[in-house]
Amino acid sequence: QSAPTQPASVSGSPGQSITISCTGSSSDVGGHNFVSWYQQHPGKAPKLLIYDVTNRPSGISNRFSGSKSGNMASLTISGLQAADEADYYCSSYTSGRTLFVFGTGTKVTVL
Amino acid sequence: QVQLVQSGAEVRKPGSSVRISCKTSGDTFSRFAISWVRQAPGQGLEWMGGLIPILGSAKYAQKLQGRVTITADESTSTGYMELRGLTSEDTAAYYCARAARETVEVTPASYGLDVWGPGTTVTVSS
Repeated sequence: QSAPTQPASVSGSPGQSITISCTGSSSDVGGHNFVSWYQQHPGKAPKLLIYDVTNRPSGISNRFSGSKSGNMASLTISGLQAADEADYYCSSYTSGRTLFVFGTGTKVTVL
Repeated sequence: QVQLVQSGAEVRKPGSSVRISCKTSGDTFSRFAISWVRQAPGQGLEWMGGLIPILGSAKYAQKLQGRVTITADESTSTGYMELRGLTSEDTAAYYCARAARETVEVTPASYGLDVWGPGTTVTVSS
């Protein structure tokens, strides 16, 4: 069972919007609506940004939004800020014996 | 505000075992699933397994089945993760994390993990 694939890096200028993709299969990302996204700054624990594809936990900025089409989920960050420079991971339930997987991770750079 | 406090860094020799603790503040320990997630240096996140303390039955990632045991002590609101047969590939930061809501599902698929411990570094070296 392989992890959902994310681009290794995405960059953007302050104020721009960027989108991070998370491509899986019908066994994970495409099979249900249990996709979450996490942000991780260097040396810190991950932080939940999005759950169940589109939902934001309390306190998370509406600059972060999630979507899904088929086997690919996406995280969009609008109004990019310097503080958004971090690693981002998608995650998903999987019907395989792994039960739950994180994506390969994407490093976001703010130019 | 729920907080997770993890035990300190560990150094182990290959073939040995390590046990990490994760103490939860607050009175919601038993009903929320606790997951363990690890991250090797410079690598991505890996879900190891989880447990709902009040239900008692843990689930594990297939890759670690037979080497990992996740337990909980409700009397002290503390979760534990033991990993056996350590190799250099087990060198990583190990995080405990709590499910965002009460469910009957051990995996953090729905609602995600909203409270994380600071991580415990485990170094496996001869």
